[in-house]
Amino acid sequence: AQTVTQSQPEMSVQEAETVTLSCTYDTSESNYYLFWYKQPPSRQMILVIRQEAYKQQNATENRFSVNFQKAAKSFSLKISDSQLGDTAMYFCAFMNSGNTPLVFGKGTRLSVIA
Amino acid sequence: DGGITQSPKYLFRKEGQNVTLSCEQNLNHDAMYWYRQDPGQGLRLIYYSQIVNDFQKGDIAEGYSVSREKKESFPLTVTSAQKNPTAFYLCASSARDRGHNQPQHFGDGTRLSIL
Repeated sequence: AQTVTQSQPEMSVQEAETVTLSCTYDTSESNYYLFWYKQPPSRQMILVIRQEAYKQQNATENRFSVNFQKAAKSFSLKISDSQLGDTAMYFCAFMNSGNTPLVFGKGTRLSVIA
Repeated sequence: DGGITQSPKYLFRKEGQNVTLSCEQNLNHDAMYWYRQDPGQGLRLIYYSQIVNDFQKGDIAEGYSVSREKKESFPLTVTSAQKNPTAFYLCASSARDRGHNQPQHFGDGTRLSIL
């Protein structure tokens, strides 16, 4: 079974600084998908960024980028120019091919400090 | 606007009572999912359905039941057999586009509490 590990339960960062959230996963599959979701205090789950395992290029969405290391099974999220609105729980998630359910890590609570 | 609607937003259950959480989507997605979220935990899978009239148990299905009679709807019943139902419940849906998985879309959730 696949597992996802987020080793940082809580992190904080100063506004405008850069922060990196860690995620590792375990799978024997070669084709899969990785996601970062954001859950603000409203508890809505918002997709931040996605990565297909067959793509070597790291995904980027504005201030959010990932460092995908397939051999190391690592998928970290970098947030640049942190904003107060980035304060949220961040969940790393894994999905096999075939429209299967997501497997979530336990999350990292990020606080952006003014 | 297309999306996923969960209702009610808050729900209270008495001892021995079954309650049903509604999840409706108008995204024309084939697959739908129910997750449970407890404080300090990630989301754990209860049930999922990849096609109408078919569903599979997730990691924590005991004490829950589902049905998938229509593509748009995937209600979750929390039965009296679920001894610790207090949690935040999230419904999601997803599709495959040209053979590639698309991200799951989530509803706004239902908060269930014991009276």
